[in-house]
Amino acid sequence: DTGVSQDPRHKITKRGQNVTFRCDPISEHNRLYWYRQTLGQGPEFLTYFQNEAQLEKSRLLSDRFSAERPKGSFSTLEIQRTEQGDSAMYLCASSLDGGGYGYTFGSGTRLTVV
Amino acid sequence: RKEVEQDPGPFNVPEGATVAFNCTYSNSASQSFFWYRQDCRKEPKLLMSVYSSGNEDGRFTAQLNRASQYISLLIRDSKLSDSATYLCVVNKRTNAGKSTFGDGTTLTVKP
Repeated sequence: DTGVSQDPRHKITKRGQNVTFRCDPISEHNRLYWYRQTLGQGPEFLTYFQNEAQLEKSRLLSDRFSAERPKGSFSTLEIQRTEQGDSAMYLCASSLDGGGYGYTFGSGTRLTVV
Repeated sequence: RKEVEQDPGPFNVPEGATVAFNCTYSNSASQSFFWYRQDCRKEPKLLMSVYSSGNEDGRFTAQLNRASQYISLLIRDSKLSDSATYLCVVNKRTNAGKSTFGDGTTLTVKP
């Protein structure tokens, strides 16, 4: 286990379709985070899990977005009825406990909604 | 006003130059601070934590000024490979789940 893995790396979808992304964190890390980043902006917090519990969700996370982390291992982020404004890089990160030593990010999933 | 603000740059400097970036934060109760580096179209990578006493890692020095609510990053003897976007990160608690990122400062080091 050499890092955080995200799949797919790229996704092109038509507006209105549903998409699901997967993140496999570093196995020893109990916290998992989802961020979204658009060009020229820093990553924006979406949600995070400690083990299998989702502890915080951003108001950015509309009801079209849902995230899960069954069994406290990998996580999925689903976007329903995609909109062009959802086009972004979706970054997953993991950390041990509160991230007092920073996060390790995955390479991200770049979503393009056409 | 954004919670974390950075001068977007770009900073264009020659190799060997010393360059400094500042980052201001609005929440005086913020507890932990970091600098990340992000190469074009890549994920952010942790560069260094920022401690109250300041810290140094080779050519990189980070400082925290709680009174004025800013953190700084100093890069000495710039290399071409330092060209990247530098993201400032602030956490409200040491054990916080959510981190707030600045929008980054872009550095280009030229031969």
